[in-house]
This record gives sequence, C-alpha cells and structure tokens, in this order.
Amino acid sequence: DAKTTQPNSMESNEEEPVHLPCNHSTISGTDYIHWYRQLPSQGPEYVIHGLTSNVNNRMASLAIAEDRKSSTLILHRATLRDAAVYYCILRDGSGSQGNLIFGKGTKLSVKP
Amino acid sequence: GAVVSQHPSRVICKSGTSVKIECRSLDFQATTMFWYRQFPKQSLMLMATSNEGSKATYEQGVEKDKFLINHASLTLSTLTVTSAHPEDSSFYICSAAIWDSRNQPQHFGDGTRLSIL
Repeated sequence: DAKTTQPNSMESNEEEPVHLPCNHSTISGTDYIHWYRQLPSQGPEYVIHGLTSNVNNRMASLAIAEDRKSSTLILHRATLRDAAVYYCILRDGSGSQGNLIFGKGTKLSVKP
Repeated sequence: GAVVSQHPSRVICKSGTSVKIECRSLDFQATTMFWYRQFPKQSLMLMATSNEGSKATYEQGVEKDKFLINHASLTLSTLTVTSAHPEDSSFYICSAAIWDSRNQPQHFGDGTRLSIL
C-alpha cells in the first residue's frame, strides 16, 4: 500500500479553520484518499474520502492537489469536539477489498 | 449512517480466561469485517479480515489459534481471545464493510478495552 506522511501534531483555536496536510507522493491512479479520525477511547470515525476532485460534506472538506501527491483536510470551524487523531489513508480502488492501513496520524488539539 | 455495535465495551478478567467480543452491523449487511488491535499511544494494527461464511485471513504475526474469528452471518462477527494473558490487554476494534465497496467507508465499532489481570 502506498504510504502517507502527516505531521505528528497540530494545534488550533476554537472556531478557527484547521488545515491538516497529508503527503502521498507514491499514490497510484486507483488509490482513493480516505480520512478518518479517532477520539480518545473510541473507534475511528469516517470523515471524508476522494479520488481526484475536491470533496465537501457536513464534517469537512478535502482538497486534493492536482498531481494527487498531497491532500488537505479542512475543518472549517474547529470545535473542542474535533480534538482527535486524524488519519490520512490511501485505499486501493482496484485491487482487493482494501483493508485500511493506519499510520500514526496527526493529533489535533483545539484550544478554547 | 451505518452503525456498528461492539460488545462488551470493557472487560476485566483473570489470566487464562477466554473472552468473546461481538461486532454487529445494525443497519446494513457486512460481507467483510475487520479486527484491529490498538496498544496505548499507538495506531491501529489490523489483525484479521473476515468474510461471511469463510475462514478469516490473519495478518502476519497474529496467531489464528489464539484469536478465533467467526463470521457466521452478514451482521455478526465474533473475536474470541483464548486463554488470555496480560500481554493480550489492549483495545480491540472491529469495522464492517460491504463487499465490493472498496471506495466506500469502513464503519467502526466503539472498541472493547480488554484488561487481563
């Protein structure tokens, strides 16, 4: 599976936007970019995913670089409940059923 | 949205006990379920992939005789930790997916914290 690189940690202020970067320079043409987050003592939660075009949903936006070698998860207004570890994961869309391989993720802290 | 229920949420038991953890997809049929393990301050590690009606596929280094997985129906998979020892203490998490939805999200349970005394 292609690898992703994320900063270990980031800080944000409440009600400000947060941009969480992810590098995936070895991404293949069939890899989807998935984002999950994990709150303390809970299972991961799906946030968003995309292939080439930018994506928006009620939780976040995903901005994908034109060469697809990087992407950014955007939380438009951070709340205290957004404090979590955010995982950027590539998932092969053409091969097997695509089990998720979790890296270390980015630990997001949100300050009131 | 799709809901996955995991039970129990916490187990504390003596060394040598076998522990069963259930993972249910409540509002969809999960042809594939995944079992993960997470040690403190570490990321999730995939243990095994389970397809309904067939034997589970275990990741390298995971003992299939120690971690028994049964996926007898489209809505239920179980993980049994046999003869658990303190080193098996961990956070166990299941997820469920619909077959051939490789581009769709996986849906995770809330995890089971297993503590072996």
